[in-house]
Amino acid sequence: QVQLQESGPGLVKPSQTLSLTCTVSGGSITSARHYWSWIRQPAGKGLEWIGRIYTSDNTNYNPSLKSRVTISLDTSKNQFSLNLNSVTAADTGMYYCARGFYPRMVWTEWGRGILVTVSS
Amino acid sequence: SYELTQPPSVSVSPGQTARITCSGDALSKQYTYWYQQKAGQAPVVVIFKDTERPSGIPERFSGSSSGTTVTLTISGVQAEDEADYYCLSTDSSDTSVFGTGTKVTVL
Repeated sequence: QVQLQESGPGLVKPSQTLSLTCTVSGGSITSARHYWSWIRQPAGKGLEWIGRIYTSDNTNYNPSLKSRVTISLDTSKNQFSLNLNSVTAADTGMYYCARGFYPRMVWTEWGRGILVTVSS
Repeated sequence: SYELTQPPSVSVSPGQTARITCSGDALSKQYTYWYQQKAGQAPVVVIFKDTERPSGIPERFSGSSSGTTVTLTISGVQAEDEADYYCLSTDSSDTSVFGTGTKVTVL
């Protein structure tokens, strides 16, 4: 059974880059059967899809975040990563990594999430 | 940008039926999925492709679709069903979109 685990700094300063990693165990990040995604949730608010990656170079992002987001794979470590630049307090929240089955973009397995606070 | 609209809250007594709607222009052309999120936990899929229930999800959860509105129905609500519920679909640009979310309160 696949497991996903988010890691990264819990505190990021405004204007800097938020960088998170999702470590995948029990499944291969290079699988052609799966999408890998990042989703976030501000405290007390709803879910927001950030973007996804499929194989090594097929990405798609939420249009509202597209100018600031990069998602990439590290096949040597079986991980995928999120970089979100020029962060503000509005980027504070719980960040989840998740897996979906290609071609359906439904996120079936999730990590437990990591809380990221943007503050000076 | 594409939006999926849900009622902010639904209150229901134990044993009664809760219905949660999700409306969006493209829902007649794309599948919708439903998630349950309990406090402090990651979301869990309770309905696939408008109407299918994953293994392990109780039979009291069901989904239906009519035009641009899909509905999650919880029949015989139990206290453990108190949670936030989100619909999920895909827009014309192949991006995922979550609904605005509905808080279900069991009275």
